[in-house]
Amino acid sequence: GQQVQQSPASLVLQEGENAELQCNFSTSLNSMQWFYQRPGGSLVSLFYNPSGTKHSGRLTSTTVIKERRSSLHISSSQTTDSGTYLCALGGSALGRLHFGAGTQLIVIP
Amino acid sequence: GPKVLQIPSHQIIDMGQMVTLNCDPVSNHLYFYWYKQILGQQMEFLVNFYNGKVMEKSKLFKDQFSVERPDGSYFTLKIQPTALEDSAVYFCASSLTGSGNTLYFGEGSRLIVV
Repeated sequence: GQQVQQSPASLVLQEGENAELQCNFSTSLNSMQWFYQRPGGSLVSLFYNPSGTKHSGRLTSTTVIKERRSSLHISSSQTTDSGTYLCALGGSALGRLHFGAGTQLIVIP
Repeated sequence: GPKVLQIPSHQIIDMGQMVTLNCDPVSNHLYFYWYKQILGQQMEFLVNFYNGKVMEKSKLFKDQFSVERPDGSYFTLKIQPTALEDSAVYFCASSLTGSGNTLYFGEGSRLIVV
């Protein structure tokens, strides 16, 4: 079955609003990464966060292992934040990642 | 941050021909990966490679696929022969250790098989 589920599938925000993206997983993990996929397709690594909370500018990632979830919070969204956000779960010693289907974010001015 | 380079960025090829996708991983990394993303679909794992060997591969890694990394050169994905369903973006990634570490991805190689 699907190991990594992301919600919502898509989200439309007015510029300045905050976003909360969720990632739920059904297996144990030894790594969790959040990526931003640009409209052109390239991937940008946002966070490596297997547990706890990490901050980077307007982004915050929180992973709670025992609840099998990770979230990505975007504060004060900007139009340049538009794109697809992917979470990926690593559960093997070899580093293989299982990706979620992504959340497509559209920020309108 | 660390960069993974992929060549070519895109290629159009006739069905049945061979294609080689090249990846220059982060210089001190030891684990290498290929992922496949069909347009509008989920990113899917193909294969990982360590110490000169395929360690793990998925069902998507067909017999027509092969990977290698001759000493000091690119980590390559070869498809021979190509099929229409091979059309996708192929992403290379590398990592210092197999687990517990960030995977760094390249920009992808867009392959179109006609």
